Amino acid sequence: DGGITQSPKYLFRKEGQNVTLSCEQNLNHDAMYWYRQDPGQGLRLIYYSQIVNDFQKGDIAEGYSVSREKKESFPLTVTSAQKNPTAFYLCASSIRGPEAFFGQGTRLTVV
Amino acid sequence: GEDVEQSLFLSVREGDSSVINCTYTDSSSTYLYWYKQEPGAGLQLLTYIFSNMDMKQDQRLTVLLNKKDKHLSLRIADTQTGDSAIYFCAEGGLDDKIIFGKGTRLHILP
Repeated sequence: DGGITQSPKYLFRKEGQNVTLSCEQNLNHDAMYWYRQDPGQGLRLIYYSQIVNDFQKGDIAEGYSVSREKKESFPLTVTSAQKNPTAFYLCASSIRGPEAFFGQGTRLTVV
Repeated sequence: GEDVEQSLFLSVREGDSSVINCTYTDSSSTYLYWYKQEPGAGLQLLTYIFSNMDMKQDQRLTVLLNKKDKHLSLRIADTQTGDSAIYFCAEGGLDDKIIFGKGTRLHILP
C-alpha cells in the first residue's frame, strides 16, 4: 500500500538534546512538508522541499533542520536551539498538485 | 504574507447542516482545500477546489468559493456524530506552499 509514514508516534527528548523525526513516503511525490501543530494554533509550516537536495524554510524554521537526500525521505531534526519543542509534528507529501497526504504524526515531549 | 482565517468552534445538531467558513488573503492561490483531523491523527483531505471554480459538490460535502471576497465555505449536509472533528481550511499556489488556518472544531449536539 502506498502511503506516508512517520516514526516514532511518540518521542521524548531531554533538555539540550537533538532528536530526529522520520518521514518516509512511497507515493513517488516530489514535494514534502513538515508542520508543527500546537493547540489553538493550527498548523504552521516549518520546512518544505519541492525536489531532492533542495528545501525552503517555512514560517517557523528556527531551531529545526531538514535534509532531502532521497525522494522518499524528509527527516526533521529538532535541535537544542528550539526552545519550546513540545508539539505534534505532521509530515505531508504531494505530487506538486492539489492533493497533499499526511502522515499520522509524531508527538514530541520535552522531559 | 499569506493568511487563512476561520472560526475556532461550531456546534450543530445531528441531522442539521454544518457550514464552516474561511477567508484567505493570497489572491494568487491556485487551490483551496478542506482537511479533516480526528483526535491524535494526521489530516485527511476531504476535498479541494481550483480557484477558477465557484462550487464543488461531493456527496454530503459542498464547497463554495467567492474569489472576489476570498471566502471559502464547507457545507456538510445531514451532519452525523462521525463528522465531529477539526476542519482545516488551506490554500496553496504554484510555489507548493500550503498554508493552513487554525482549524474549526465541529461539535455535534444530540
